[in-house]
Amino acid sequence: GAVVSQHPSRVICKSGTSVKIECRSLDFQATTMFWYRQFPKQSLMLMATSNEGSKATYEQGVEKDKFLINHASLTLSTLTVTSAHPEDSSFYICSATGTGRTDTQYFGPGTRLTVL
Amino acid sequence: GENVEQHPSTLSVQEGDSAVIKCTYSDSASNYFPWYKQELGKRPQLIIDIRSNVGEKKDQRIAVTLNKTAKHFSLHITETQPEDSAVYFCAASGVTGANNLFFGTGTRLTVIP
Repeated sequence: GAVVSQHPSRVICKSGTSVKIECRSLDFQATTMFWYRQFPKQSLMLMATSNEGSKATYEQGVEKDKFLINHASLTLSTLTVTSAHPEDSSFYICSATGTGRTDTQYFGPGTRLTVL
Repeated sequence: GENVEQHPSTLSVQEGDSAVIKCTYSDSASNYFPWYKQELGKRPQLIIDIRSNVGEKKDQRIAVTLNKTAKHFSLHITETQPEDSAVYFCAASGVTGANNLFFGTGTRLTVIP
């Protein structure tokens, strides 16, 4: 149980375009979803927290107009990187908590974004 | 906000030996401390967690200890095996939002056969 999927696993795009990443909880209802960014050989940096039907809460320093988060249902959250630039290239990972143990986060497999 | 520090950044042990990774946190209100294992290019996998109402928890070869007074917690892996080689992250729950986790900087563990 507690499986989280992410799509796509890899994406390469041109500078200036937008990219959407999907995060789905497959076998549980995710009351809260989290989006992280991870640079090579570095830790996970929390970008934002989203609850179904509510606006996301962004961490300090994360541009909400650049990283658009939508959590329209209890099983799906999306992160859209708008007007991507090479410095946005990174590994983006989502996680989700369910209605049971609300503090345990289950992670998706991550999406590697490369902006040319 | 919460600040989590983790040491060492790299650790090499001989197969069969024990490995210990230590973390400290800054916010005394934090009450949940998970440990994740991440292999290269893969998702972090929860391996053990501890809550602030207990001081120690064990699961086979893995154990975690928590000292709330000193605000530090440690991961202990006994009888290490080559497949234990990975990056390990500690984390602490934050107080800025519901159940936010703040991660340590990671420890790259290498188990030498």
